Amino acid sequence: AQTVTQSQPEMSVQEAETVTLSCTYDTSESNYYLFWYKQPPSRQMILVIRQEAYKQQNATENRFSVNFQKAAKSFSLKISDSQLGDTAMYFCAFMKDQGAQKLVFGQGTRLTINP
Amino acid sequence: DVKVTQSSRYLVKRTGEKVFLECVQDMDHENMFWYRQDPGLGLRLIYFSYDVKMKEKGDIPEGYSVSREKKERFSLILESASTNQTSMYLCASSLGGVAEKLFFGSGTQLSVL
Repeated sequence: AQTVTQSQPEMSVQEAETVTLSCTYDTSESNYYLFWYKQPPSRQMILVIRQEAYKQQNATENRFSVNFQKAAKSFSLKISDSQLGDTAMYFCAFMKDQGAQKLVFGQGTRLTINP
Repeated sequence: DVKVTQSSRYLVKRTGEKVFLECVQDMDHENMFWYRQDPGLGLRLIYFSYDVKMKEKGDIPEGYSVSREKKERFSLILESASTNQTSMYLCASSLGGVAEKLFFGSGTQLSVL
């Protein structure tokens, strides 16, 4: 079974700073997908970024980028120039390449951006 | 935009009651999911469905059942609610392709007293 671990329950930074959220996972699969989802106070989960394990290039979406280290089974999220609207719970998630398309989530990191 | 609608934002029920949580999606998605979210535990999969009348157990199905009679609707049923089922319940849907992103509802915060 796959497991996803987020070791930082809470983080807090000042607006405009860069912050990195950590995520590690355990799997015996060779092909899989990794995701970061954001849950703002509205509770609506939103996809932030997606990484395909067979791609060596790290995914980037505007101010959001990942550092994917396949051998270390690490998948961290970097938020540059943080904004107040980035305040949210962030969840790292894993999905196998084959079979049922279900996500396995980490415990979440509560990120607060201070003005 | 895809919309996933959960019937209630907050719900309070008594121990032993039968509880129905409803979820409707409007984009003809094949897959639908029910997760529960608890502090420190993240989201855990209860049940999912990849087609009408099809269902599969997730990681924590005990005490729950589901129904999918129509493609757009996926219901979660607590047969006899217990206090340890107090939680946030999130419904999601996705297309049938590989690694399609999930679209989530806004959640139902259920309190069982």
